[in-house]
Amino acid sequence: DAKTTQPTSMDCAEGRAANLPCNHSTISGNEYVYWYRQIHSQGPQYIIHGLKNNETNEMASLIITEDRKSSTLILPHATLRDTAVYYCIVRDSGNQFYFGTGTSLTVIP
Amino acid sequence: GAVVSQHPSRVICKSGTSVKIECRSLDFQATTMFWYRQFPKQSLMLMATSNEGSKATYEQGVEKDKFLINHASLTLSTLTVTSAHPEDSSFYICSARDHLLNTIYFGEGSWLTVV
Repeated sequence: DAKTTQPTSMDCAEGRAANLPCNHSTISGNEYVYWYRQIHSQGPQYIIHGLKNNETNEMASLIITEDRKSSTLILPHATLRDTAVYYCIVRDSGNQFYFGTGTSLTVIP
Repeated sequence: GAVVSQHPSRVICKSGTSVKIECRSLDFQATTMFWYRQFPKQSLMLMATSNEGSKATYEQGVEKDKFLINHASLTLSTLTVTSAHPEDSSFYICSARDHLLNTIYFGEGSWLTVV
């Protein structure tokens, strides 16, 4: 079962940072936090993942709270092509991914 | 470019027939692959976990005799929808685990329409 809670939808102005929150209060010590996004009619695209430390790559930054019960995905300069459904998923090294409902992000011109 | 490829991307079949969808990992060997189904405006639902060289593990409520999964090599898993029914029309997505990167990558998805 999905172990995360995300807002159903969010808007962000083009060029601004998009901050997508995720609650995972029941996360255990060996579970990673993964973020994917899905643009309509395509397979999910990997964005970033982390365990305890904050992570950054060419797409986004992942901020994980010290107690690991929540995290935030940051798209530093949102573009129209970032409009998608964003999924936050927790998973340990041996288990499958179970998707929640995700956050539908709309980037507004 | 894509590291997990699905084929076909779209398929139409008649009721009662069977249709096979292939999922290939292109840049890595995948001992484990996963199959999902997604209905319009809904999230992805895990159907089964495909293990190379052994039987697939199906999620509760998924009929294993209807959705046949074969994972005969480290780069290929197939999903066969048998005796297809219009209710099976959906978007089917596979994913594969890259153990080295500790990441799961998804295919582009396959649209199945049963008429």
